[in-house]
Amino acid sequence: EAGVVQSPRYKIIEKKQPVAFWCNPISGHNTLYWYRQNLGQGPELLIRYENEEAVDDSQLPKDRFSAERLKGVDSTLKIQPAELGDSAVYLCASSGTGLAFFGQGTRLTVV
Amino acid sequence: GENVEQHPSTLSVQEGDSAVIKCTYSDSASNYFPWYKQELGKGPQLIIDIRSNVGEKKDQRIAVTLNKTAKHFSLHITETQPEDSAVYFCAASKYGGSQGNLIFGKGTKLSVKP
Repeated sequence: EAGVVQSPRYKIIEKKQPVAFWCNPISGHNTLYWYRQNLGQGPELLIRYENEEAVDDSQLPKDRFSAERLKGVDSTLKIQPAELGDSAVYLCASSGTGLAFFGQGTRLTVV
Repeated sequence: GENVEQHPSTLSVQEGDSAVIKCTYSDSASNYFPWYKQELGKGPQLIIDIRSNVGEKKDQRIAVTLNKTAKHFSLHITETQPEDSAVYFCAASKYGGSQGNLIFGKGTKLSVKP
């Protein structure tokens, strides 16, 4: 069974440009998370979905970040416009009724 | 909200020795405590977890202990091997049917010297 799939693996953009990350969770997993991991730090939650509903987006910087999970499966995280401080690894994770599994992440570099 | 503290930030051991990583949490309602291993360039991988109704759990060379009263939990790796070298993260959440929000510690970089 495939794990959590994220794309792209790497992205380099100039500041003020938009960027989007895509996540395909493990089949059947209702819960989907987006985390941001800064260098040398633990993952920090941005948003959690239960099916199509964003149940916790309190840590999502809504002025520039947006997310969607159409049909309760794949999810997209967007940043517009990107800032230098957004450089980080963006991790997607999914969970069924218990364990949370992570994808490999997208490393974003804003120059 | 929940806050998870993790120590030490770096740990170096000789192959064959044991390694212990400790975490404390602040929210007494947290009831699920997983540990993740992250290798360079990869996402975190779940290695073991424990729920608040259990004091200890073991899986081969890895064990986790939980002290609910003191609100701390620990990861123990015995007979360490070079392939155990990675960054380890503890996390805490309130599990109630769904996973809840996993709150992570800042990580421990473990180096196992051959």
